[in-house]
Amino acid sequence: GESVGLHLPTLSVQEGDNSIINCAYSNSASDYFIWYKQESGKGPQFIIDIRSNMDKRQGQRVTVLLNKTVKHLSLQIAATQPGDSAVYFCAENRYTGNQFYFGTGTSLTVIP
Amino acid sequence: SQTIHQWPATLVQPVGSPLSLECTVEGTSNPNLYWYRQAAGRGLQLLFYSVGIGQISSEVPQNLSASRPQDRQFILSSKKLLLSDSGFYLCAWSKGAGLEQYFGPGTRLTVT
Repeated sequence: GESVGLHLPTLSVQEGDNSIINCAYSNSASDYFIWYKQESGKGPQFIIDIRSNMDKRQGQRVTVLLNKTVKHLSLQIAATQPGDSAVYFCAENRYTGNQFYFGTGTSLTVIP
Repeated sequence: SQTIHQWPATLVQPVGSPLSLECTVEGTSNPNLYWYRQAAGRGLQLLFYSVGIGQISSEVPQNLSASRPQDRQFILSSKKLLLSDSGFYLCAWSKGAGLEQYFGPGTRLTVT
């Protein structure tokens, strides 16, 4: 399953399938990006990050891809599990500042 | 390992009453500390951040204030709550500007 960031705020996938969550950013000065997972009623949980000198970074079952040319970020979750159901946010940072800019997120639902 | 605590977890307060939310961090020293507000269906809005004891930067003008009386303690306050202050308040910490931020469990505030 695949989403288009802020324009498609919900994504449903079958358990075991791969998920792709997208995020578009507008400021070319953004040079550091984080993906967060937020379960209902809880604080956001750090998943993975990437700096602008990289275009891909892998973690456990997750991969983040960065395309600076089109200002696009994606989170790929392999073999999606019911515990992956949550809202996923991308956050961007500029000039090593204290402020991160967050999207409204994409709600991922995993169907058993 | 580092942990971040927030209390209370939920709070219902009448309009015009005062507010005090507390955040503490364990397992690190001299963290940067942040207060965010998350309205339903919206992204996180940075309210305040602090790079040290007594140092507070405000990002959004409002009837809220923040204080940092100790290195690992961050307090969000208001003298008189407004209905529009309702939301989910999140505290976060980082090792410095432009570095990954880690969030607490949040406080759900309802102003009636």
